Amino acid sequence: DAKTTQPPSMDCAEGRAANLPCNHSTISGNEYVYWYRQIHSQGPQYIIHGLKNNETNEMASLIITEDRKSSTLILPHATLRDTAVYYCIVSTGNQFYFGTGTSLTVIP
Amino acid sequence: DTGVSQDPRHKITKRGQNVTFRCDPISEHNRLYWYRQTLGQGPEFLTYFQNEAQLEKSRLLSDRFSAERPKGSFSTLEIQRTEQGDSAMYLCASSLGAPTEAFFGQGTRLTVV
Repeated sequence: DAKTTQPPSMDCAEGRAANLPCNHSTISGNEYVYWYRQIHSQGPQYIIHGLKNNETNEMASLIITEDRKSSTLILPHATLRDTAVYYCIVSTGNQFYFGTGTSLTVIP
Repeated sequence: DTGVSQDPRHKITKRGQNVTFRCDPISEHNRLYWYRQTLGQGPEFLTYFQNEAQLEKSRLLSDRFSAERPKGSFSTLEIQRTEQGDSAMYLCASSLGAPTEAFFGQGTRLTVV
């Protein structure tokens, strides 16, 4: 079952950075932190994942604390198309428990 | 490559009927996953395959559900004697093993009336 805690909703102004927090205090040493997002009626979209180092790709940055008990997904310049439900998942990669995620609304 | 493909996109069936869904993963992805998503909830894991072997099944996968991946390529998910509680979005995903990222299809929306 879901091993992460996320705020149920957040707002962000268009063009600003969106910082989505996630707590995963019971993460195991071999579990990665994954982020997916889901826009209404579509399948989940992969964003980024990491083990313990910070990661960056063309979509986002992932900041993982040194003790690995929490992380933050950063969307550097949020657009209206980033409005979605964002899921933080800890997993070895064999299966994902999505939980209920954070509903991010980007405001014009 | 067009990504993970699921067919049909929508299915309406009467209670008690059997339904079958198909998933075509991304080429050369050896792992294939099935998830179910009900309204307002995140996707729930059902089962996954590595090549043709079904390696794990969730307790959500009752004996009315069966999944196959006969040649390690496409997969089918069959639900027998459908119930109204089976109404959901059924999602398929594939990956090149773990812990690489999994890519999801657009899902099959099942409505049992």
